[in-house]
Amino acid sequence: EVHLVESGGGLIQPGRSLKLSCTASGFTFVDYVITWFRQAPGKGLEWVGFIRSKAYGETREYAASVKGRFTISRDDSKRIAYLQMNSLKTDDTAIYFCSRGNEWLHFLIEYWGQGTLVTVSS
Amino acid sequence: DIQMTQSPSTLSASVGDRVTITCRASQSISLWLAWYQRKPGKAPKLLIYKASILENGVPSRFSGSGSGTEFTLTISSLQPDDFATYYCQQYNSYWTFGQGTKVEIK
Repeated sequence: EVHLVESGGGLIQPGRSLKLSCTASGFTFVDYVITWFRQAPGKGLEWVGFIRSKAYGETREYAASVKGRFTISRDDSKRIAYLQMNSLKTDDTAIYFCSRGNEWLHFLIEYWGQGTLVTVSS
Repeated sequence: DIQMTQSPSTLSASVGDRVTITCRASQSISLWLAWYQRKPGKAPKLLIYKASILENGVPSRFSGSGSGTEFTLTISSLQPDDFATYYCQQYNSYWTFGQGTKVEIK
């Protein structure tokens, strides 16, 4: 059974950094895209960024709202993906979800984690 | 960016009702449309992809239709486990979501 578990969320001050982890099980991690999404309080779901598999050069792309501040990486040996968030703003307050995307199905998002809450506040 | 407009935002229904949720894209997305179910504290669950393909294990009372810019999710006979929030998502160009439809008990 596919499982994705996010961790690392919490309360952080504006301007500081935080690193989220996404631990995967139940599938061949190396073969899949990992995409991060978020949902701010009272707002809609928004994609944050993604990292492709090694077979596709671990290409990464980011939403304009986080480009230059957030970085996604992956450690296939540990089956973990990371979201490094720098220069955090209050607008980054949200539940952050990692997900498994399937490149052979037009980047369909097939599975999600339950999410981890990040609160950016002084 | 492709905008997704989902309606209604809230839907009150009873067990056994037929329920329809609509999603409209701001430009054609062909068939690259997915529907997800989300319950509080749980991971979103994929129900339908490529507009009308039922994900493995999803009950057949769920169905999807549409193409281009207009899409529909139908639950043919609402069950107690179906009270949740439903989202459409386009994956033609990156990913964007509708605002969600909360299906409540009438």
